[in-house]
Amino acid sequence: QLQLQESGPGVVKPSETLSLTCTVSGGSISSSSYYWGWIRQPPGKGLEWIGSIYYSGSTYYNPSLKSRVTISVDTSKNHFSLKLSSVTAADTAVFYCARLGVRLHLGEVIFGTLLDWGQGILVAGSS
Amino acid sequence: QSALTQPASVSGSPGQSITISCTGTSSDVGGYNYVSWYQQHPGKAPKLMIYDVSNRPSGVSNRFSGSKSGNTASLTISGLQAEDEGDYYCSSYTSNNTLLFGGGTRLTVL
Repeated sequence: QLQLQESGPGVVKPSETLSLTCTVSGGSISSSSYYWGWIRQPPGKGLEWIGSIYYSGSTYYNPSLKSRVTISVDTSKNHFSLKLSSVTAADTAVFYCARLGVRLHLGEVIFGTLLDWGQGILVAGSS
Repeated sequence: QSALTQPASVSGSPGQSITISCTGTSSDVGGYNYVSWYQQHPGKAPKLMIYDVSNRPSGVSNRFSGSKSGNTASLTISGLQAEDEGDYYCSSYTSNNTLLFGGGTRLTVL
């Protein structure tokens, strides 16, 4: 059974970079059948998609965060990572990693469904 | 990109049916059959309930069903049970190669 586990610091100082890792167990991150992604949820608020990555390294980001976000994949360690730069208090949220299903749409591999989720990790942007 | 539009809250009595709507545009909900619905209980990660508009993952009760008409998708829960109470989110793939969520709907079982 696939499991995803987020790890990283619980507090990040303002203006610094938030770094999180999602370790995948029970399945290979190199599968062509899935994308991998990050979603966040500020306390008491809704879900926000941050971005997704394919095993090949192709990435797609939320336009509102694109200038600050980098998602990368390490197939040798079976994990993928998130970096969010210039953190402020507004970035305080529970961050989830997830496995996404793929679809073939007009000859292009796209992502759609968030099939499996990690338990989430609360990260506060605070001094 | 603006969030998909969902009602902030819905409620129903045990045994009743409720429907939650999710309205987008022709660039997301209306343009692709890649609408999903997620259930979230307090302090827990979201759980997939419906994918590709109307498909149920293995293990999800057949009381949950999904549909779409034009730019609006809907989640219907029949035979409401106390355990259905929680937050529900829709999501859709978009023409900008992004994923868009709805603002979420709080379901209260009276």
